[in-house]
Amino acid sequence: RKEVEQDPGPFNVPEGATVAFNCTYSNSASQSFFWYRQDCRKEPKLLMSVYSSGNEDGRFTAQLNRASQYISLLIRDSKLSDSATYLCVVAASGGSYIPTFGRGTSLIVHP
Amino acid sequence: EPEVTQTPSHQVTQMGQEVILRCVPISNHLYFYWYRQILGQKVEFLVSFYNNEISEKSEIFDDQFSVERPDGSNFTLKIRSTKLEDSAMYFCASRQGTSYEQYFGPGTRLTVT
Repeated sequence: RKEVEQDPGPFNVPEGATVAFNCTYSNSASQSFFWYRQDCRKEPKLLMSVYSSGNEDGRFTAQLNRASQYISLLIRDSKLSDSATYLCVVAASGGSYIPTFGRGTSLIVHP
Repeated sequence: EPEVTQTPSHQVTQMGQEVILRCVPISNHLYFYWYRQILGQKVEFLVSFYNNEISEKSEIFDDQFSVERPDGSNFTLKIRSTKLEDSAMYFCASRQGTSYEQYFGPGTRLTVT
C-alpha cells in the first residue's frame, strides 16, 4: 500500500481558475503535513505547512482531514507561474521523523 | 535570505568509483537530511543527522552510503562504490529544531556511467 498518494494529473487549467488537489496518507500516526512545489529538475520548495485548523496563505488554502487521512490544497486565481508539480509530504513527529513524499500532482496553467 | 547550498551541481562518475556530495545547511539549523530523486520518480528519504550522528536512515541507505559533518558548516554524503542505479538528483535539506519545515538545496545531479 502506498504511503502517500496523489493524483499525478496533469491538471490543465486556464489562468484565473480555481484548482484543488488531494493527497491521502496511510500512516495514522502522521503529525506533520506539508505542501511543496517542485519545478522541473529543481529542488522542492516549501509552499506551506498544513495545520489541523486549516490555513491560508494568499491564494493558497490547505486543509487537513485526520479522520479520512487526507490533506488538500486549493489554489485560487491560478497564475501561469503556478505551473509546477505539487508535492504532498507527511511525517510522523517525535522520535522517528521520516518525511514521506507523494509522487506529486502536475499543474499546468495556460493563458 | 539564508539558503542551503550544494556542490557540485552535476557529477559524472564511473561505476565503482567513490563520490562525495557536499552541502552547506542553513547556519542555525540543527537537523540535516539527504534525499534522492530518480528521474521521473518521487523524492525518497535517505538519512537524517542530528547532534553529529545519524538519527534515522531508510532501507536505501545501505553500507555503501555514509554521511559526515566534518566541520561546523559542511554536511557530506559519500557513496563508496557507485552503481548505475545510483544515478539521481541528491538533495540536501535542513531544518531548525523548533519546526519540522525543511528547506532544500538545489541538488546535485549524479550520473553514473
